[in-house]
Amino acid sequence: EIVIMQSPGTLSVSPGERVALSCRASQSVGSDLAWYQQKSGQPPRLLISDTSTRATGIPARFSGSGFGTEFTLTISSLQSEDVAIYYCQQYNMWPLTFGGGTRVEIK
Amino acid sequence: QFHVVESGGGVVQPGGSLRLSCFSSGFVFHTFGMYWARQAPGKGLEWVAFVENDGSKKYIDSVRGRFTISRDNSKNTLYLDMSNLTPEDTAVYYCGKPQVGFAPRPLDVWGQGALVTVSS
Repeated sequence: EIVIMQSPGTLSVSPGERVALSCRASQSVGSDLAWYQQKSGQPPRLLISDTSTRATGIPARFSGSGFGTEFTLTISSLQSEDVAIYYCQQYNMWPLTFGGGTRVEIK
Repeated sequence: QFHVVESGGGVVQPGGSLRLSCFSSGFVFHTFGMYWARQAPGKGLEWVAFVENDGSKKYIDSVRGRFTISRDNSKNTLYLDMSNLTPEDTAVYYCGKPQVGFAPRPLDVWGQGALVTVSS
């Protein structure tokens, strides 16, 4: 099983600041990495697939990068509506596995 | 617009059984593999099971032999039959549709979830 680790656990950021969330896989997943956003009381929403492809309707301030075992989700300018928990997921190999999430808060 | 709606959640005693259903609309159901995932209270996401459009199935180890995923393409409905439930199975269960492409793919449509509570 591929283990996914996310860091930091919580991030407190001022509006307008740049945010970088890290995701690390225990073995290479190539570019088979997705990011989801989950707001309180809601189901997850797909933000990015294939490491860097934004899903339909996702603002351009969200971007993804990386390959193999190291990945980053960047929010270029944090908005208040971006408060959420962000999860990365690998889909290179069964079982599909998620990271533990990074909580993003407004400072 | 794509929609999936889960139903069938509830409270069940340890060792009991429950069936979850997921009705899909807005897309050609029989052409997609479908997923179940879950989220324990206050915890992260966990993939549970997958059924391909040809009926082949995959499970996470912790539920294999206890849970059965199935589908009825004539009813656009996905099922999860859960038996021998334990308190560790307590979670919100989500049904999900993947992006187009060869499995596995990320989920681009999620339901609102069905809460399953295993407690005596």
